[in-house]
Amino acid sequence: EAGVTQFPSHSVIEKGQTVTLRCDPISGHDNLYWYRRVMGKEIKFLLHFVKESKQDESGMPNNRFLAERTGGTYSTLKVQPAELEDSGVYFCASSHRDRLTDTQYFGPGTRLTVL
Amino acid sequence: AQSVTQPDIHITVSEGASLELRCNYSYGATPYLFWYVQSPGQGLQLLLKYFSGDTLVQGIKGFEAEFKRSQSSFNLRKPSVHWSDAAEYFCAAVTYSNYQLIWGAGTKLIIKP
Repeated sequence: EAGVTQFPSHSVIEKGQTVTLRCDPISGHDNLYWYRRVMGKEIKFLLHFVKESKQDESGMPNNRFLAERTGGTYSTLKVQPAELEDSGVYFCASSHRDRLTDTQYFGPGTRLTVL
Repeated sequence: AQSVTQPDIHITVSEGASLELRCNYSYGATPYLFWYVQSPGQGLQLLLKYFSGDTLVQGIKGFEAEFKRSQSSFNLRKPSVHWSDAAEYFCAAVTYSNYQLIWGAGTKLIIKP
């Protein structure tokens, strides 16, 4: 069984540019989460999808971030326009059912550097 | 505010020695608790989790953790570390009052040969 995959693994962009991160969850997992770790800080929750619906997006930092999950399969996280403080590692995770008791399986992350 | 604290940013242990990584939580109610590990180039992998019941939890790779309500702690232990255990370890928590996983800052484990 394939795990959670994320693309790209690294992205280096200029301030003001747009970047789109992609996450492919484990097949059949309805729940998909995005997290972010800014350098030297804790991992922070961004949002949670159940199938194609946003269940909780309270962790999204501002309206420069847009997450979608078309058809309830893969998800994209777009940052537009990117700012310096957006640099960090973006993790995606998926789980099968109930979000508290089911294991969240994580992808390797996308390292975003904004110059 | 709800929080998870890992007081040690780095820990260096000799191969074969025992290991204990500390985790403290601050929550109104007992949260669900997790330990994850991130090896270089890998995603976060769940080592073990505690929801209720036996306060000593066994996980993968020979790790265990003990939940102590009186100390608000959930420390991770391993009796004998291997070089392959070098990684970053994260403690996390969640409760029904806040569905989001709250993470500690992580502890980097360095193994001395």
